[in-house]
Amino acid sequence: ETGVTQTPRHLVMGMTNKKSLKCEQHLGHNAMYWYKQSAKKPLELMFVYNFKEQTENNSVPSRFSPECPNSSHLFLHLHTLQPEDSALYLCASSQAYGTSSGNTIYFGEGSWLTVV
Amino acid sequence: EDQVTQSPEALRLQEGESSSLNCSYTVSGLRGLFWYRQDPGKGPEFLFTLYSAGEEKEKERLKATLTKKESFLHITAPKPEDSATYLCALSGFKAAGNKLTFGGGTRVLVKP
Repeated sequence: ETGVTQTPRHLVMGMTNKKSLKCEQHLGHNAMYWYKQSAKKPLELMFVYNFKEQTENNSVPSRFSPECPNSSHLFLHLHTLQPEDSALYLCASSQAYGTSSGNTIYFGEGSWLTVV
Repeated sequence: EDQVTQSPEALRLQEGESSSLNCSYTVSGLRGLFWYRQDPGKGPEFLFTLYSAGEEKEKERLKATLTKKESFLHITAPKPEDSATYLCALSGFKAAGNKLTFGGGTRVLVKP
C-alpha cells in the first residue's frame, strides 16, 4: 500500500460538471497539500492544510474547492472548470508544516484531469 | 524570491555512461533542498534531502551533492530503469511554512 493514495487516477469531465478528487495518506502526517502539474510547467502549490486547517491558498480560482475533514483525508471539489485546468493534480503530505527544518513532502500518484 | 533552475532540460545517455544533473538556486536561507524522481504519468518519488553545503547523500547509482549555489545529482553507470524526470525543489526560511519551489526538471533517457 502506497503512503499517499489518490482516486480517481483518471477523470474526464465537462465544463458544467461537478466532480471531486480524493486523497488519503497512511503516513501519520499532519500536513496535506494539493499541487498542480501542467505540461512544460514546474509543479505549482495550490492549497496546504495543517492539522485540518487551511494555511495556504495560492491564489487558486474558486472553481477549485478543497476540503480536509481530518489529517488523513483531503478532497478537491471541482466545478465549472475550463479546458486549461486539464492537468495532473497531485496530493502530498508531510509530517508538519512550518517547522524550522525542511520537512520531506511525499506525493501520491496523481489524478489526471481532462476538461472537455 | 526563491528560484530553482535545472539543466539540462533533457539528457540522453547510453547505458553505463555516467553524467550529472545541475540544480542552481537562489534562496534567502535554505531550509532544505530536495530531489525527486518522476516516472511518466506518476507522482514524484522522494530521493534525497540536503540541508547544508558540503552534504552528500547516495542511493544505489545516484549521488546528490550540495554547495551554496547549486546541487548536483550524479548518475553513475546508469541503467535503462533510471530513465525518468528528475526534479529539484527547495524550501527557504522566508517562504511560508514548508512551501517548496520546484525547478522544471531534467528528463533523462538511458538507452541500452
